[in-house]
Amino acid sequence: GDSVTQMEGPVTLSEEAFLTINCTYTATGYPSLFWYVQYPGEGLQLLLKATKADDKGSNKGFEATYRKETTSFHLEKGSVQVSDSAVYFCALISNTGNQFYFGTGTSLTVIP
Amino acid sequence: KAGVTQTPRYLIKTRGQQVTLSCSPISGHRSVSWYQQTPGQGLQFLFEYFSETQRNKGNFPGRFSGRQFSNSRSEMNVSTLELGDSALYLCASSLAASPTGYGYTFGSGTRLTVV
Repeated sequence: GDSVTQMEGPVTLSEEAFLTINCTYTATGYPSLFWYVQYPGEGLQLLLKATKADDKGSNKGFEATYRKETTSFHLEKGSVQVSDSAVYFCALISNTGNQFYFGTGTSLTVIP
Repeated sequence: KAGVTQTPRYLIKTRGQQVTLSCSPISGHRSVSWYQQTPGQGLQFLFEYFSETQRNKGNFPGRFSGRQFSNSRSEMNVSTLELGDSALYLCASSLAASPTGYGYTFGSGTRLTVV
């Protein structure tokens, strides 16, 4: 079945450091891929997405490229800020479009 | 426009009781899905409704049920609560099922604590 494997956390970085959070997936067909972010006490907010191979999603300095050959969708940011501290979830959506499969989440803490 | 509204935000129930959670989707959205988030199991799909019909169901016991009304508002019910049902329950709405994931919006969730 469909699934997402995400890099374990927690991750602690200094402000302005480079961020990579690894994500790989298993899916039938051609899923769309997502990164969601969750701040304390809140729901999920869409950070970025990509709907086909080689697409690059980007938002707020974050980027991820849909790599079909390696079934990966790694999240990167060149210079993190304290405000980026949150939990990040990699996800895919099923072919039917009515179910998300989420990774386990990676907690990021950025220290000044 | 208003987002996805989940009520109540917080709930404390006793083991063995039942609970009903509510989700009001974005106006015009007809698909509503529910997820359970726990520290141990992460985010797991419960069910999805479209135009009052359940189209997909996750791997949860029959104690978990839901429904959708003609105005697209949805409720989920958990009967005979167990301690392990303590979780954040998230609702997401969209215009329709979308394999590209276009237009899905999540609510802030209901935090259920079973004591």
